[in-house]
Amino acid sequence: ETGVTQTPRHLVMGMTNKKSLKCEQHLGHNAMYWYKQSAKKPLELMFVYSLEERVENNSVPSRFSPECPNSSHLFLHLHTLQPEDSALYLCASSQDSLDEQYFGPGTRLTVT
Amino acid sequence: KQEVTQIPAALSVPEGENLVLNCSFTDSAIYNLQWFRQDPGKGLTSLLLIQSSQREQTSGRLNASLDKSSGRSTLYIAASQPGDSATYLCAVRPGKEYGNKLVFGAGTILRVKS
Repeated sequence: ETGVTQTPRHLVMGMTNKKSLKCEQHLGHNAMYWYKQSAKKPLELMFVYSLEERVENNSVPSRFSPECPNSSHLFLHLHTLQPEDSALYLCASSQDSLDEQYFGPGTRLTVT
Repeated sequence: KQEVTQIPAALSVPEGENLVLNCSFTDSAIYNLQWFRQDPGKGLTSLLLIQSSQREQTSGRLNASLDKSSGRSTLYIAASQPGDSATYLCAVRPGKEYGNKLVFGAGTILRVKS
């Protein structure tokens, strides 16, 4: 499999659930990103990892917890979310932090 | 603070037309600018990346120009096709000192009618 993959593609969760989103890149890149895309809003950068170290945390609530165990994998752990957290969550990667970014297909999250 | 605006918000054209999508940014000190395409409910596909030192980039029927001093970029699509229907997003990287942040516009929704 090539490029950037994300699982699951769709997720419905209650406000008290705990779930995780997974991203995997097969491009040999060193930087990975989480973005949030809400309806009718521009994409918002959430987190950036470069060489497995978090280099950016864009004032994201603590109910979102990222994890980057190695340069190919990125997780977003979710707990006690709110309905306004319903959105498309996109993962991206780049060779280094200033290079062109390649995006995955996204996870459509619905919080009920 | 860098802000990116895209005009128009939506566009509907008949097949075969040439069209122009506009992107403007408030701070001309950018590192590069990238145009993406997004199909409904899907991720982003990178179309063109223009470095701050470049004036334009071309890929097939697509041509993107950059005028850094005036804070503008245009995406020109020649001979549009129904398969071009998607949301087109413009994003700028506001300079090396800002590290990893791409700042996105809200997008232009394009519909090409057959």
